[in-house]
Amino acid sequence: DAGVTQSPTHLIKTRGQHVTLRCSPISGHKSVSWYQQVLGQGPQFIFQYYEKEERGRGNFPDRFSARQFPNYSSELNVNALLLGDSALYLCASTDGSSGNTIYFGEGSWLTVV
Amino acid sequence: AQRVTQPEKLLSVFKGAPVELKCNYSYSGSPELFWYVQYSRQRLQLLLRHISRESIKGFTADLNKGETSFHLKKPFAQEEDSAMYYCALRSVSGSARQLTFGSGTQLTVLP
Repeated sequence: DAGVTQSPTHLIKTRGQHVTLRCSPISGHKSVSWYQQVLGQGPQFIFQYYEKEERGRGNFPDRFSARQFPNYSSELNVNALLLGDSALYLCASTDGSSGNTIYFGEGSWLTVV
Repeated sequence: AQRVTQPEKLLSVFKGAPVELKCNYSYSGSPELFWYVQYSRQRLQLLLRHISRESIKGFTADLNKGETSFHLKKPFAQEEDSAMYYCALRSVSGSARQLTFGSGTQLTVLP
């Protein structure tokens, strides 16, 4: 059984560009969350989606957006990239029940130059 | 707002020595606390959660609500325990469940 899969694994973008990161949750999991991990810090919550609806949003600007598709996969979009957006972006999935384990993907390394 | 503090960025111990990774939290509700571990070149994975009261790989953690702490302990460290450890608190905000992580402690177990 595949775990949470993310693509791409690494990418380099220029300031002002746009990026789309993709995530496929574990089969049967209906909830997907996104986290940003800047070097030297712990992951920081960006979004949670459950059954294609946004359930929560962290303290991130409107340049960050996401969506969840009918197959429960998800995309994270970041517009007008800044140097400070350089980070590891983690996707996590759970079946959505309270108390269930959250599983993380390996992440997408984004470098903005 | 919730907050998780891990005061030690780096911690080194010798093989066979006891190890304790500190974690303190602040949260107005009833906390649900976790320890996640990230071995070199691997994904973040759950080590243990306080509600399970289990021991994983010899590690234990007890929730102390009076001291708002959830320290991770192991009586005899092994070299394979070398990794990055994150303490995390799960909170409920509206219909969202999110994890708030500490900044992590890099544990190195020396031979």
